[in-house]
Amino acid sequence: DTEVTQTPKHLVMGMTNKKSLKCEQHMGHRAMYWYKQKAKKPPELMFVYSYEKLSINESVPSRFSPECPNSSLLNLHLHALQPEDSALYLCASSQDHPSYNEQFFGPGTRLTVL
Amino acid sequence: GQQLNQSPQSMFIQEGEDVSMNCTSSSIFNTWLWYKQDPGEGPVLLIALYKAGELTSNGRLTAQFGITRKDSFLNISASIPSDVGIYFCAGQFRAGANNLFFGTGTRLTVIP
Repeated sequence: DTEVTQTPKHLVMGMTNKKSLKCEQHMGHRAMYWYKQKAKKPPELMFVYSYEKLSINESVPSRFSPECPNSSLLNLHLHALQPEDSALYLCASSQDHPSYNEQFFGPGTRLTVL
Repeated sequence: GQQLNQSPQSMFIQEGEDVSMNCTSSSIFNTWLWYKQDPGEGPVLLIALYKAGELTSNGRLTAQFGITRKDSFLNISASIPSDVGIYFCAGQFRAGANNLFFGTGTRLTVIP
């Protein structure tokens, strides 16, 4: 299984809602990532988890809260978002190997904040 | 953040033609990766490069890790309609669970 899955595919939420994005991989990878991608732009890193511990937070606002329940799952909890947070949210995973670190991406969740 | 410049920004080519695109950085990277992204989908890994000067192929795709470690190149031979999409280079400073810095992307259109 070489797939990273993400749910839901699409999400529309109001600024007062609380929602969660989910990501799962069964490749035995120990590093998982959240990226945000705006239209016609490259992905930008938000968070990195290594061995289920948060290792990088790229100064992301606290209305985004990541969680790594186990080595296969990664969640992104959303609360009080703004319309400018509308974007494609991508999850990725990698081996966290000292020499090789190919990141494999999921299909993304298209988020619209009204 | 790091600035990786890709060129060209977009390309319109006839089916069967070869394609070349490149990526340059002001910083030295230890890893270069090339991805393809279709609209509304996540990036798909095409080729990974780990050594300066390395030349790696994946079917009709060939990529090179520049000698200076500040650039990388991707060639697609005999293009077909399904090659349409956005191609991103990405660089990484060090191995392990770390950030990928993405290039600005090259949008490829193949005319049948």
